[in-house]
Amino acid sequence: GQNIDQPTEMTATEGAIVQINCTYQTSGFNGLFWYQQHAGEAPTFLSYNVLDGLEEKGRFSSFLSRSKGYSYLLLKELQMKDSASYLCAVKMTTDSWGKLQFGAGTQVVVTP
Amino acid sequence: DTGVSQDPRHKITKRGQNVTFRCDPISEHNRLYWYRQTLGQGPEFLTYFQNEAQLEKSRLLSDRFSAERPKGSFSTLEIQRTEQGDSAMYLCASSPAAGVRGITDTQYFGPGTRLTVL
Repeated sequence: GQNIDQPTEMTATEGAIVQINCTYQTSGFNGLFWYQQHAGEAPTFLSYNVLDGLEEKGRFSSFLSRSKGYSYLLLKELQMKDSASYLCAVKMTTDSWGKLQFGAGTQVVVTP
Repeated sequence: DTGVSQDPRHKITKRGQNVTFRCDPISEHNRLYWYRQTLGQGPEFLTYFQNEAQLEKSRLLSDRFSAERPKGSFSTLEIQRTEQGDSAMYLCASSPAAGVRGITDTQYFGPGTRLTVL
């Protein structure tokens, strides 16, 4: 089976930085995705990492270490609209057509 | 709007009834996925289509569940004899074919159908 662990909830103030960690155990890794999901809405794609290192997209960055089975999503200059659940999802090599296995999500609460 | 669409957005039904949901993927995507999500959890994979071929079904998909994608475009998910445990958000996602230069098979999700079984 696949274990994908991420914290349940994090709270931060507007303008601050928050780092959401995700650890995974897999017998074959083929990429990691981060999605944002507002309550009652569909997940929306944020970032994709398949090689080690940092990918930056505006206020959001995602980091991957394949040897450690670890990723993080960094949210900078937090805004109230960033309050949402953030889902870490792993694609395995055994699923060449791209099935994703998701963590339970991290609920980020941004306070004024 | 060229995103993934799903219909209906909400469905309330009584236990034992049959329900059917529809998903229209992004038009140039040949891969289509169904997931189920319950409160406080991430989406769980149910089934996958490449064009009209259903290539994998999760063990979560009991024999009461059936999915089709008859012409390789839209897909339907039917649940027969619904049970209260079927109450969840049913999400559809689509992605382009992998292996094409410069294209990753990122999955784009529709707004979901929220099913409530009374």
